[in-house]
This record gives sequence, structure tokens and C-alpha cells, in this order.
Amino acid sequence: GQQVMQIPQYQHVQEGEDFTTYCNSSTTLSNIQWYKQRPGGHPVFLIQLVKSGEVKKQKRLTFQFGEAKKNSSLHITATQTTDVGTYFCAGRLGSARQLTFGSGTQLTVLP
Amino acid sequence: GAGVSQSPSNKVTEKGKDVELRCDPISGHTALYWYRQSLGQGLEFLIYFQGNSAPDKSGLPSDRFSAERTGGSVSTLTIQRTQQEDSAVYLCASSSGLAGGVGELFFGEGSRLTVL
Repeated sequence: GQQVMQIPQYQHVQEGEDFTTYCNSSTTLSNIQWYKQRPGGHPVFLIQLVKSGEVKKQKRLTFQFGEAKKNSSLHITATQTTDVGTYFCAGRLGSARQLTFGSGTQLTVLP
Repeated sequence: GAGVSQSPSNKVTEKGKDVELRCDPISGHTALYWYRQSLGQGLEFLIYFQGNSAPDKSGLPSDRFSAERTGGSVSTLTIQRTQQEDSAVYLCASSSGLAGGVGELFFGEGSRLTVL
């Protein structure tokens, strides 16, 4: 069935290194959202991208939406221990009303 | 309250029993979602309510699962004849649902269900 794939599933980095997670869909996405879930917590919204090729930045975080609106990425520059958590992408597949979440990337930052 | 409220926060039940999970969304939010998250896994969509429209039930895993939303506000997710594979955290989220699109989802803390 239609789904949103996310890679890698796990990523361990040393503090100060960069990190990237990728999100891919077989179907065009109406929009893409990114969420962060801290260990033991619930997902918290980070950002939404709507336009083809859109790029948005939040401090050390850079979000991109692909030209074909089928993929997206989240890049963190110079990771910090506070970046630890699982990052999920989520999108509306075509004309679907509901939001489909990716499988998530669990980030561990080693001090 | 200001956020999405879910109850109970923890529920332990015996296999075969029925359970009800409650979600109180942010006031004024027309969209309400239920997701299920198993340990270390992603979010599995269950059901979506938007205003007075018919709910999108396409994610409900079996007919043992049902949900309703009364008065466009509080929602209850019911699981009948629980099975061990139903054990998970059940997350509710609401959204303003403006412009017919899907805006930011605000999640509750979740209800952790354990079926013995």
C-alpha cells in the first residue's frame, strides 16, 4: 500500500557532527511535516513544507521538500545532545485527508 | 486545558476485556486523529475525524476497534475483546484543520495499553 519510507532507521553521531534523515514516498505528497519525539515523550511539530523545492531553516535545522514532492530531508548541523530523539516525517498522500507518518529515524548523540 | 488531554495514561487489562480510551482535543480544533505506536516503532494511523464529515476509518486494524466523536469534541476509542498484540501507546492528536488542509498536529501524552 501507499506509505512513507524513512532512512536511516537509527543514527549514532558524535556531538558536533552533522545528521541527515531522508523521507520518500511513492506518491506525490500534498505537504510534508516533520516531528520530533523525545524518549518517553510524544511527537512535537517542527515544520511544514508545501511548495515544490521548498527549503526552510530553523537555527541548525534545514528542511527540504523535493521538486517532485515525493521526498524530503531534515539536516541538522553540529548536533548537540539536546537533539536526541526520533524524527518523523509525515505527509498527505495525494488527495488523502489523513496524515501518514514515516517510520522515523532515531538519533543518538554521543557526548 | 490548553493541550490535548488523554485518559487513562496507563491501562493494564486482561486479554478478552474491552477498553475505552478518551481524548479531549484542543478547544476549537475540528480535526482529530488516533494513532497507535508500538514500542520503538512509528505511528500507525487508525482513524481521522474532520468536523461533521464522515470519519476516515481506513486505518482501523479490525472490527474490534471503533471510535466516535461526540459533539465534534471529545473522542473515545474502543477496543473490544483485547488481544496481546493490541498492546501499544495510543496517541490522539488534534488540528485546526483550516483551509481544508492538514495543519500542525498537537499530540496528547498518549494512553499506554498493556494487554496481559
